[in-house]
Amino acid sequence: DSGVTQTPKHLITATGQRVTLRCSPRSGDLSVYWYQQSLDQGLQFLIQYYNGEERAKGNILERFSAQQFPDLHSELNLSSLELGDSALYFCASSVGDSYGYTFGSGTRLTVV
Amino acid sequence: QKEVEQDPGPLSVPEGAIVSLNCTYSNSAFQYFMWYRQYSRKGPELLMYTYSSGNKEDGRFTAQVDKSSKYISLFIRDSQPSDSATYLCAMIPNSGGYQKVTFGTGTKLQVIP
Repeated sequence: DSGVTQTPKHLITATGQRVTLRCSPRSGDLSVYWYQQSLDQGLQFLIQYYNGEERAKGNILERFSAQQFPDLHSELNLSSLELGDSALYFCASSVGDSYGYTFGSGTRLTVV
Repeated sequence: QKEVEQDPGPLSVPEGAIVSLNCTYSNSAFQYFMWYRQYSRKGPELLMYTYSSGNKEDGRFTAQVDKSSKYISLFIRDSQPSDSATYLCAMIPNSGGYQKVTFGTGTKLQVIP
């Protein structure tokens, strides 16, 4: 167990719907990173939050948004879902930007 | 062209073999190089972390970085069935933290007993 908890593990939903993925970072970690992993693109960085504030943005679609709450857990909201959004979504957490970067087990999203 | 290229495999080897996994990259600013192992239905876990050029050894694993050729390798000695997983290389530029990490697409390894 890495200490980073992601829920749910699996999610099946229809096109056009909206889902929320949740990530609880490892105890003491202030940074949360979200990634999308698909077979052809590999791990793509979406967004980073640090202590409640957005820190960096990657290849995140406008239909996607995230936030980090005062208890440091984070949620990734995916809306107007398309078939191409089917992927594994991982979060990782770290103390800062450069130390102790650990992944959760991911949420497998299937859009039908 | 992707910044980081990695042969997707799959690579199938007999137990006890020496495995060589490789990545090439195009961004000369990359200074930190990592190898992650990802088991099926799990998140990536860090195996090796090196800075700049050179070799680093940890048990059966050796990471090599050749910055002049923009080429990194992970060697696994005496491979075991438990090494069967997907191996991802990852790189960070000198100016960045983890938000700037770029991953390879991964090489799937199968070690046959």
